[in-house]
Amino acid sequence: DQQVKQNSPSLSVQEGRISILNCDYTNSMFDYFLWYKKYPAEGPTFLISISSIKDKNEDGRFTVFLNKSAKHLSLHIVPSQPGDSAVYFCAASEDNAGNMLTFGGGTRLMVKP
Amino acid sequence: NAGVTQTPKFQVLKTGQSMTLQCAQDMNHEYMSWYRQDPGMGLRLIHYSVGAGITDQGEVPNGYNVSRSTTEDFPLRLLSAAPSQTSVYFCASSSLYRGWNTEAFFGQGTRLTVV
Repeated sequence: DQQVKQNSPSLSVQEGRISILNCDYTNSMFDYFLWYKKYPAEGPTFLISISSIKDKNEDGRFTVFLNKSAKHLSLHIVPSQPGDSAVYFCAASEDNAGNMLTFGGGTRLMVKP
Repeated sequence: NAGVTQTPKFQVLKTGQSMTLQCAQDMNHEYMSWYRQDPGMGLRLIHYSVGAGITDQGEVPNGYNVSRSTTEDFPLRLLSAAPSQTSVYFCASSSLYRGWNTEAFFGQGTRLTVV
């Protein structure tokens, strides 16, 4: 029973356009949500996070939106760049320590020049 | 600034062999975790530690042992390797002393194949 789901295994967008990656969760105890980016043969690197007390967090080209009632979050990348091509993982935790993360299956983003 | 260092990067084991995956962090983080990533799946938590001398099981602990004798090191032991343990293993560390809503830092991973 997956508690965190990313239903789109892949996404292709044109350079300069918006990329929207989605994530759904089922555990009501999740209080803190993170997005990680992963290149092949490397470890995941942190991108952006959001606490359950917020509905939006922005960092440069990256914005994460949280809809607690729908148990849904999304990552917006604007504008998308070819260097953004990677696998993106959504993760959730019951605390805000960055420990004991539950991950989604990932979405492979391809940004075409 | 090394961050989280995992060794080895690659390993091939025969079924039944034992080995230890090493993980070290130089950030004085109190929390450390081990995850495995299988094709088409996200990372799954194997074991975690909230400080030296304290460890606990995650989602998929069977077949793995851990210990945390120092803040810096968190080795993962496979006592009798099985083909089902073929995976990529990631170690991570984090700390609440960095402030609320902190993130986990990951190592580069160890790709393990059990034949």
